[in-house]
Amino acid sequence: LAKTTQPISMDSYEGQEVNITCSHNNIATNDYITWYQQFPSQGPRFIIQGYKTKVTNEVASLFIPADRKSSTLSLPRVSLSDTAVYYCLVGDKSNAGNMLTFGGGTRLMVKP
Amino acid sequence: KAGVTQTPRYLIKTRGQQVTLSCSPISGHRSVSWYQQTPGQGLQFLFEYFSETQRNKGNFPGRFSGRQFSNSRSEMNVSTLELGDSALYLCASSFQGAATNEKLFFGSGTQLSVL
Repeated sequence: LAKTTQPISMDSYEGQEVNITCSHNNIATNDYITWYQQFPSQGPRFIIQGYKTKVTNEVASLFIPADRKSSTLSLPRVSLSDTAVYYCLVGDKSNAGNMLTFGGGTRLMVKP
Repeated sequence: KAGVTQTPRYLIKTRGQQVTLSCSPISGHRSVSWYQQTPGQGLQFLFEYFSETQRNKGNFPGRFSGRQFSNSRSEMNVSTLELGDSALYLCASSFQGAATNEKLFFGSGTQLSVL
């Protein structure tokens, strides 16, 4: 079971770039790294996913070093609406199917 | 495409009662998983259903149960409610749920309060 470690909270200001790093030392060969965003009283929402190197979409970038033991979610030019909890996940391949383990997440606070 | 729909949105029950929550996945999705979210414990996996069969189960007591119908809709039931069962219950669907690179699509959840 791959566990993840993230900072509990981060503060930023509007317009800044935010980088959230996640450690997953026991990631399995077939596991992907996925990030979700959650606003209060809502379900998590998929942001980005990657396996190695760099992935970029319209919302964020994901940087994964060669050893895949960590990953960094990068949010460019954050706004107040990016205030949320961000979860880093890696899959559990001990059983077939979805049994993703959510860690505590990182609570990002964007200030004006 | 409609998203994942959970009903009801809010629910208030008293200790000892039972409750049934419903989840309609995205059309074509066959995997439905359930999570419990509390401020103290975070997001915890309850169970996953695929093709009407429970495929994975988290570490919750037998009071928590679920089922999936042939149209992939799922229900979860909690019997003999306890105060500690107060939580946001989230349902997520995905196409097959067999690969870790599948995206999960979550509903908005059912906020259960046990008094």
